[in-house]
Amino acid sequence: DAGVTQSPTHLIKTRGQQVTLRCSPISGHKSVSWYQQVLGQGPQFIFQYYEKEERGRGNFPDRFSARQFPNYSSELNVNALLLGDSALYLCASSLVPGQGSNQPQHFGDGTRLSIL
Amino acid sequence: GQSLEQPSEVTAVEGAIVQINCTYQTSGFYGLSWYQQHDGGAPTFLSYNALDGLEETGRFSSFLSRSDSYGYLLLQELQMKDSASYFCAVRSNYQLIWGAGTKLIIKP
Repeated sequence: DAGVTQSPTHLIKTRGQQVTLRCSPISGHKSVSWYQQVLGQGPQFIFQYYEKEERGRGNFPDRFSARQFPNYSSELNVNALLLGDSALYLCASSLVPGQGSNQPQHFGDGTRLSIL
Repeated sequence: GQSLEQPSEVTAVEGAIVQINCTYQTSGFYGLSWYQQHDGGAPTFLSYNALDGLEETGRFSSFLSRSDSYGYLLLQELQMKDSASYFCAVRSNYQLIWGAGTKLIIKP
């Protein structure tokens, strides 16, 4: 079975541009979460979606937005890119949101975004 | 604020045992997870503790003490392929809050 797939794998943008990152969860998984990982740090939570609704949002500015589609795939959008947005963006899926239960998140290989 | 503390780097010898500690301070707590991440790779799930005590999965074990806000990951019979970064993460509401990671260096 295919794991979590993300596209593109690498992306180079300039300041002020906009970017859309895509994620396809494992078949049967209905929850998708997005994380930002800066080199040398742990992932930082951005969003969680379940059944096409936002269930959680981390401490990120409104330039960051996301959505989940009927097939449970998801997109992360970032507007007005800043140099500090350069990072690895990870998508993770799980069967359900997992609050209070042992629902491991399965991660994709990420999209490495570089801002020039 | 919410924070998780873990050592930045640990060095051990192949075949030995190593323990990676994690202390946490979060507003909500539903469990402590451990993930492994090789350079350039995706994090992969290792273990989850919701209740106090020890969970064992093969060469890896994880421990939790909720009263002490403390947990650890124990890796036995270390192999070179275990060289990676290890993250503790607390499930708080709908998000995982992650530590900065511990880089495990294994020497032959």
